[in-house]
Amino acid sequence: GAGVSQSPSNKVTEKGKDVELRCDPISGHTALYWYRQSLGQGLEFLIYFQGNSAPDKSGLPSDRFSAERTGGSVSTLTIQRTQQEDSAVYLCASSFGERTEAFFGQGTRLTVV
Amino acid sequence: GIQVEQSPPDLILQEGANSTLRCNFSDSVNNLQWFHQNPWGQLINLFYIPSGTKQNGRLSATTVATERYSLLYISSSQTTDSGVYFCAVERGGGFKTIFGAGTRLFVKA
Repeated sequence: GAGVSQSPSNKVTEKGKDVELRCDPISGHTALYWYRQSLGQGLEFLIYFQGNSAPDKSGLPSDRFSAERTGGSVSTLTIQRTQQEDSAVYLCASSFGERTEAFFGQGTRLTVV
Repeated sequence: GIQVEQSPPDLILQEGANSTLRCNFSDSVNNLQWFHQNPWGQLINLFYIPSGTKQNGRLSATTVATERYSLLYISSSQTTDSGVYFCAVERGGGFKTIFGAGTRLFVKA
């Protein structure tokens, strides 16, 4: 596609429920990132996929968080048993790989009530 | 891991003024980008600038990789320049891109 697409744009969920957030990267981009941004804060790295390499999961805050990337394209970030502190904007970015520009989607605003 | 520090954290400008935003990083990098996050939350690429100087209209950026800093210049600021400016670096070799905490800019009419 023309840009990085994320869905849904907004998600309100009840505490304890599981949610799935989707990211469609720019076609041909081998690198894909997930970040989290809490209100008024900077970007917190969550996970990084690069080609067929094992993902860098070092930023995932707990084992309730997981992500996968199928066929080197679409990625899904799953949060199990959501907590109120999970409320944030979840941003996805993609790039051709190292030494190239990263482009961001519009984000998914998650609210846990 | 690599540390990225941005200054100032907050900046208020009168429309028409010029400003310089700074990004310091603690290790050598292969990639450095400047982003603008608009009031609606969208992150927009400004510059991909691992070294050297680039200009795009009223904005320009310079990265001195050997001294581990980058500068973003905004000239003749406009109210639409308001938002948060982020510096992001990547070390390469499979390391992830790390963001600074940002500079929050408000341009008053």
